[in-house]
Amino acid sequence: GNSVTQMEGPVTLSEEAFLTINCTYTATGYPSLFWYVQYPGEGLQLLLKATKADDKGSNKGFEATYRKETTSFHLEKGSVQVSDSAVYFCALKETSGSRLTFGEGTQLTVNP
Amino acid sequence: KAGVTQTPRYLIKTRGQQVTLSCSPISGHRSVSWYQQTPGQGLQFLFEYFSETQRNKGNFPGRFSGRQFSNSRSEMNVSTLELGDSALYLCASSSPQGTRDNEQYFGPGTRLTVT
Repeated sequence: GNSVTQMEGPVTLSEEAFLTINCTYTATGYPSLFWYVQYPGEGLQLLLKATKADDKGSNKGFEATYRKETTSFHLEKGSVQVSDSAVYFCALKETSGSRLTFGEGTQLTVNP
Repeated sequence: KAGVTQTPRYLIKTRGQQVTLSCSPISGHRSVSWYQQTPGQGLQFLFEYFSETQRNKGNFPGRFSGRQFSNSRSEMNVSTLELGDSALYLCASSSPQGTRDNEQYFGPGTRLTVT
């Protein structure tokens, strides 16, 4: 079956540091890939997505590239802010239907 | 557009009781999915409804059930509650099926505590 593996957290960075959160997946076919963010006490918000190989999703300074050869979708940001502190989830969706398969989540804390 | 709404936001129940959670999708969205979020198991898919029909189901016992109404609102029910059912239950809605780009929009969740 499908699965998503994220780097273990938590991750603690200083403001303006570079961020990478690794994500690899196992899936049949050609899934769509997503990064979601969850702030304390809230639901999930879509951060970015990519629907085919070599697509780059980007939003709010975050980027991730769909790498089919390495089955990866690593999240990066060049300069994190305190307001980026949250839990980040990598997820995949099969071609049909709406079911999402999530990774374990990575807690990010950014200190001023 | 109003976002996905879930009611109630918080619930406290006793073991053995049953509970019903409600989800109203974004206007025009016909697909509703439910997820359970726990610290130990993370985010797990419960089921998906489209046009009042269950289209997909996760690996949960039969105590977990759901339904969707003609206006796309959805409810999920958990019977004979167990302590392990304590979780954040998230609902997500998406636009019509069949598109790779159909993004899912999540509600704030219902926090269920079973004592």
